[in-house]
Amino acid sequence: DTGVSQDPRHKITKRGQNVTFRCDPISEHNRLYWYRQTLGQGPEFLTYFQNEAQLEKSRLLSDRFSAERPKGSFSTLEIQRTEQGDSAMYLCASARGPTPEAFFGQGTRLTVV
Amino acid sequence: EDQVTQSPEALRLQEGESSSLNCSYTVSGLRGLFWYRQDPGKGPEFLFTLYSAGEEKEKERLKATLTKKESFLHITAPKPEDSATYLCAVPEPGANNLFFGTGTRLTVIP
Repeated sequence: DTGVSQDPRHKITKRGQNVTFRCDPISEHNRLYWYRQTLGQGPEFLTYFQNEAQLEKSRLLSDRFSAERPKGSFSTLEIQRTEQGDSAMYLCASARGPTPEAFFGQGTRLTVV
Repeated sequence: EDQVTQSPEALRLQEGESSSLNCSYTVSGLRGLFWYRQDPGKGPEFLFTLYSAGEEKEKERLKATLTKKESFLHITAPKPEDSATYLCAVPEPGANNLFFGTGTRLTVIP
């Protein structure tokens, strides 16, 4: 069993740099989500893919953020011109078919200095 | 307006001291209420989904219940390894994603 895998686990970057995170969902899970979590808060929705189509994006998602899911497999989340406020844990989750339960990866901890 | 409110924010229990965590929600047409457990520095781990008032689900020392306005996560005779943050979530109205509460941080003292 290979659960949701995220890479890297930790990333430290300087303000203004671009960063990209990768998520490999559970095999055969057609739905994929990105969330962001800051200390003491619950995960906050960023964007949602069904297969390769990006169907939903949070109003909170800055245009510096872009996500892709080519061929409906892995997904990448890119943040351009990072700001200190982008420091957070970025979580990926996947789900299968109509079942609502989503399974999370271990997250990527981003620190912008 | 918050759709999900969890209480208390933090809870300290002695090992073996049973208690309950609360999750109240305001969404109408509930399409499920979800409980997750999250250890520090890790992603949330799925525990339960509840769909209708009166439904109960159990897993080891945890039992989740649902009413029309809230859900409880009962912890019976907790052990130190139950220490974690417990999150509840509901689907955003008209959307596919989950809206999470801020969690209850549980500490079980040996």
